[in-house]
Amino acid sequence: GEDVEQSLFLSVREGDSSVINCTYTDSSSTYLYWYKQEPGAGLQLLTYIFSNMDMKQDQRLTVLLNKKDKHLSLRIADTQTGDSAIYFCAETGAGKSTFGDGTTLTVKP
Amino acid sequence: DTGVSQNPRHKITKRGQNVTFRCDPISEHNRLYWYRQTLGQGPEFLTYFQNEAQLEKSRLLSDRFSAERPKGSFSTLEIQRTEQGDSAMYLCASSFASFPRSSYEQYFGPGTRLTVT
Repeated sequence: GEDVEQSLFLSVREGDSSVINCTYTDSSSTYLYWYKQEPGAGLQLLTYIFSNMDMKQDQRLTVLLNKKDKHLSLRIADTQTGDSAIYFCAETGAGKSTFGDGTTLTVKP
Repeated sequence: DTGVSQNPRHKITKRGQNVTFRCDPISEHNRLYWYRQTLGQGPEFLTYFQNEAQLEKSRLLSDRFSAERPKGSFSTLEIQRTEQGDSAMYLCASSFASFPRSSYEQYFGPGTRLTVT
């Protein structure tokens, strides 16, 4: 079945770039998403990329997709303390989404 | 429209009781999804509807769980004879799907936290 894997933790200094990585197994995935979850809050859709794209940039966020290796990354430029949260990668075919277990990003001042 | 809403936000129940949760999706969204999230894990798919039709149900979902979306708008998720292992955050999401405009972006509600004692 589908599986999505992420590293569990990432720690960066304020102002640095953060790169969060994700691998997935379902080659029929149509869309790949990044969500942000802050403590006690729901999931906030940050950005997504269609499977026929290699890159998508949205302000401080850059998503890179290597479809051959089934590898997705999220780069956050100029990381701020407000970016500290759990980041989830998810893949979708035509219906349900399959999520990774999240990467906890800690931003140190 | 203010987004996906879920009620109640918190529910504490005793083992063996039945509970029901409600989700109101974004008004123009025709798809509605239910997920379950436990501490330290990502959301796990339970089921989804397109309009009033339940299109997919997770194999992990026991017969104690049932979901409905009778008029294609709000949805309810019922858990019968709750067990301690049912304690989790139950998340609802909605999206718009219509060829060729579908983007399948799912927007999540705040969740209902269930505690079974």
